[in-house]
Amino acid sequence: EAGVAQSPRYKIIEKRQSVAFWCNPISGHATLYWYQQILGQGPKLLIQFQNNGVVDDSQLPKDRFSAERLKGVDSTLKIQPAKLEDSAVYLCASAPSKRRWTGELFFGEGSRLTVL
Amino acid sequence: GIQVEQSPPDLILQEGANSTLRCNFSDSVNNLQWFHQNPWGQLINLFYIPSGTKQNGRLSATTVATERYSLLYISSSQTTDSGVYFCAVDSGDMRFGAGTRLTVKP
Repeated sequence: EAGVAQSPRYKIIEKRQSVAFWCNPISGHATLYWYQQILGQGPKLLIQFQNNGVVDDSQLPKDRFSAERLKGVDSTLKIQPAKLEDSAVYLCASAPSKRRWTGELFFGEGSRLTVL
Repeated sequence: GIQVEQSPPDLILQEGANSTLRCNFSDSVNNLQWFHQNPWGQLINLFYIPSGTKQNGRLSATTVATERYSLLYISSSQTTDSGVYFCAVDSGDMRFGAGTRLTVKP
């Protein structure tokens, strides 16, 4: 079974530029999460999707961050304009629908962003 | 929101030693999961353990939901066990602790 796919793995941009990250979850997984992990900290939830609907985006800085999951499969996270403090690893995770969910999350390898 | 505290923050062991990592949480949770983040940043599932005890090789975990804590045991540690261990709890969304950084020296 293929895992959660993310791209790009690494991205270096200058502040005020924009960047987009892509995630393709495990096939059949209805729930998709984006997390931000700053160096030395635990992952922080940015947004949770159930199919193509947003379940929780309370910690997403909406003035600069946006995310979509138009067809309920893959998802894109965008930052525009980027700030220095956005330097982090952006992790995508997926889980089956609640009816079949054992509670486990499956993570991709992450996209490491450096803002100069 | 729910608070997740992990201890100790850092742990240095000699190869072959045993260790216990702790996760405390401030409210009732639906699920609890332990992860190992390897030096390349990949988060690997270790245990899904909302309650009870599970074992997988040299690793085992126990969650006492009524007392709001979980423990991860590592026996006969190896250098490949090095990395950061995270506890994550689900009370509507998955919240992570700050992690325990484990270094196993040969």
